[in-house]
Amino acid sequence: DAGVTQSPTHLIKTRGQQVTLRCSPKSGHDTVSWYQQALGQGPQFIFQYYEEEERQRGNFPDRFSGHQFPNYSSELNVNALLLGDSALYLCASSWADTQYFGPGTRLTVL
Amino acid sequence: GQQLNQSPQSMFIQEGEDVSMNCTSSSIFNTWLWYKQDPGEGPVLLIALYKAGELTSNGRLTAQFGITRKDSFLNISASIPSDVGIYFCAGQRGQNFVFGPGTRLSVLP
Repeated sequence: DAGVTQSPTHLIKTRGQQVTLRCSPKSGHDTVSWYQQALGQGPQFIFQYYEEEERQRGNFPDRFSGHQFPNYSSELNVNALLLGDSALYLCASSWADTQYFGPGTRLTVL
Repeated sequence: GQQLNQSPQSMFIQEGEDVSMNCTSSSIFNTWLWYKQDPGEGPVLLIALYKAGELTSNGRLTAQFGITRKDSFLNISASIPSDVGIYFCAGQRGQNFVFGPGTRLSVLP
C-alpha cells in the first residue's frame, strides 16, 4: 500500500515565476491538505481539499491556489514567487481523524 | 488563532534514558496526533489519540490525551540513537489540524 507521494522532490525557481507541486494521497483517503514548513518551524496549514472543492483555508494569500482531481490527487500552485516562499511543502492525506504526510517538496526561490 | 505550545523546545539526553515532552493549548481539540520528522523528510505519524484520558502505546512510545482536552504528552522509554529528530504534536478539531513548533531531541551515545 503506497503512502502519500509527492513530486517533484526538489525544485529551484526564481522570483516572479510560478510553480506547481503534485500529491497523490494514500489509498482510500479522500481528503488532501497542503502545508508550508519553513526551516526550524512546524507545518503551517495552507488549505484542504475534499470532493474537488477547497474546504478550508489557512492564512495564505491568493497566490496560493490548488486543485483536487476525481482520483483525489491534488496540485498546489504558487504564482509570483517570493523569496519567502522557499520552504518544504508537505501534502497530507486523511480519512476520519488521522492524517498522514508525504515526504515533501523542497522549493527554493532565488 | 489557535496555537499549540510544546516543551521543552529542545533536549539532549543520554542513550538509554527516558524522555518526556508535552503539548498544551488554550483550545480544546478532538484528536491529538504525535509525529516525528527527520531532516528533509515529511513528518511520520507515531501515535493518534481520540478520547480524553486515552493512554496509547506504540513500542517504546506512550502518549496520553489530557482530561481537559487541551494537552497531551509523549514519553519515550530507553532512548536509542535513531530517536533523534523533531517531535511535533498536532491537535485536530473539525477539518482543522494545528501543529506545535516541535521538540528537538538529541541522543548522546
